[in-house]
Amino acid sequence: AQTVTQSQPEMSVQEAETVTLSCTYDTSESNYYLFWYKQPPSRQMILVIRQEAYKQQNATENRFSVNFQKAAKSFSLKISDSQLGDTAMYFCAFMKIQGAQKLVFGQGTRLTINP
Amino acid sequence: NAGVTQTPKFRILKIGQSMTLQCAQDMNHNYMYWYRQDPGMGLKLIYYSVGAGITDKGEVPNGYNVSRSTTEDFPLRLELAAPSQTSVYFCASSLNTAAIEAFFGQGTRLTVV
Repeated sequence: AQTVTQSQPEMSVQEAETVTLSCTYDTSESNYYLFWYKQPPSRQMILVIRQEAYKQQNATENRFSVNFQKAAKSFSLKISDSQLGDTAMYFCAFMKIQGAQKLVFGQGTRLTINP
Repeated sequence: NAGVTQTPKFRILKIGQSMTLQCAQDMNHNYMYWYRQDPGMGLKLIYYSVGAGITDKGEVPNGYNVSRSTTEDFPLRLELAAPSQTSVYFCASSLNTAAIEAFFGQGTRLTVV
């Protein structure tokens, strides 16, 4: 079974700073997807970024980028030039490529951006 | 285009009562999922469906039942509600294995007292 661990329950940074959220996972699969989801106070689950394990290049979406270390089973999220609207819970998630698209989530990191 | 719609948004149940959480999607997605999110935790999969008439258990299926009679609808039934089922429930859908993004509903906050 796959497990996802987020070791930082809470983080807080000042607006415009850069922040990195950590995620590690355990799997015996060789091909899979990794995701970061954002959950603001509205409860909506919003996909921030995804990474295919077979791609060596780290994914980037505007101010969001990942550092994917497959051998170390590490998948961190970097938010550059943080904004007040980035305040939310962030969940790391894993999904096998084969079969139904069942997401396995970490416990989440509560990120607060202070003005 | 409404996406994934869950009803109700909030509900309080008494121990032993039953209820059905409704989920509907209008994107013609094959795959649908039910997750629960306990306070301070990530989401855990309850049940999922890969198409009409096909359902399967996820990580935490005990105390729940599902059905998938149409592509659009995937209701979650709670029988004999217990305080341990107090949680936020999310329904999600995705097109197929080639389309890896899942779309989530707004969630249903359920409290069992």
